[in-house]
Amino acid sequence: QVQLIESGGGVVQPGRSLRLSCAASGFTFSSHEMHWVRQAPGKGLEWVAVISYDGSQTDFTDSVKGRFSVSRDNSKNTLYLQMSSLRVEDTALYFCVREKTLMPTLDGWGQGTLVIVS
Amino acid sequence: DVQMTQSPSSLSASVGDRVNISCRASQTIDNYLNWYQQKSGKAPKLLIYAASSLQSGVPSRFSGSGSGTDFTLTIDSLQPEDFATYYCQQSYTSLWTFGQGTKVEV
Repeated sequence: QVQLIESGGGVVQPGRSLRLSCAASGFTFSSHEMHWVRQAPGKGLEWVAVISYDGSQTDFTDSVKGRFSVSRDNSKNTLYLQMSSLRVEDTALYFCVREKTLMPTLDGWGQGTLVIVS
Repeated sequence: DVQMTQSPSSLSASVGDRVNISCRASQTIDNYLNWYQQKSGKAPKLLIYAASSLQSGVPSRFSGSGSGTDFTLTIDSLQPEDFATYYCQQSYTSLWTFGQGTKVEV
């Protein structure tokens, strides 16, 4: 079954950087676009970023453009989110999410890794 | 960006009730609308994709309808395990957006 395990979260000071990782298993990682979605404590879901199946295309929500980058290593079945110039408002649980094949929807979610900017 | 507005923000219901949750997009999104369920402390789960297609393994009491800008998630005969927060999400534009969520409470 689809398994997505995020890591790399923690407490970081404003302005610093952090890199999140997501280890995927149970499916053909290189065949799926992958996303990051975050959820601030007690708040709703916010879509953050997407990367194409081969890593050639990425896109970001406006609030993180220029500060975050996303990459993937299909040989290691791993997704990354590089976060720079972190702000207090980036504090959230970050989910690694799989996009359904040939359908723009999110059908597999990790349990999330918590980032606290303080 | 496409803004997604859900109503109500919360509702109280009883087991066996029929529940409707609305989602409105700020511009037309065709049928690029998905619904997710999130229980407290858990990751979201896909319920409905493409406005009305039931995700595999999801009970048939869940259904979705709508197209363009107005969409509805319906839960027929609410079950105890359905008390949760529900989110709509559009995938029409390259920058996806979620609604603010609807909490279904006892």
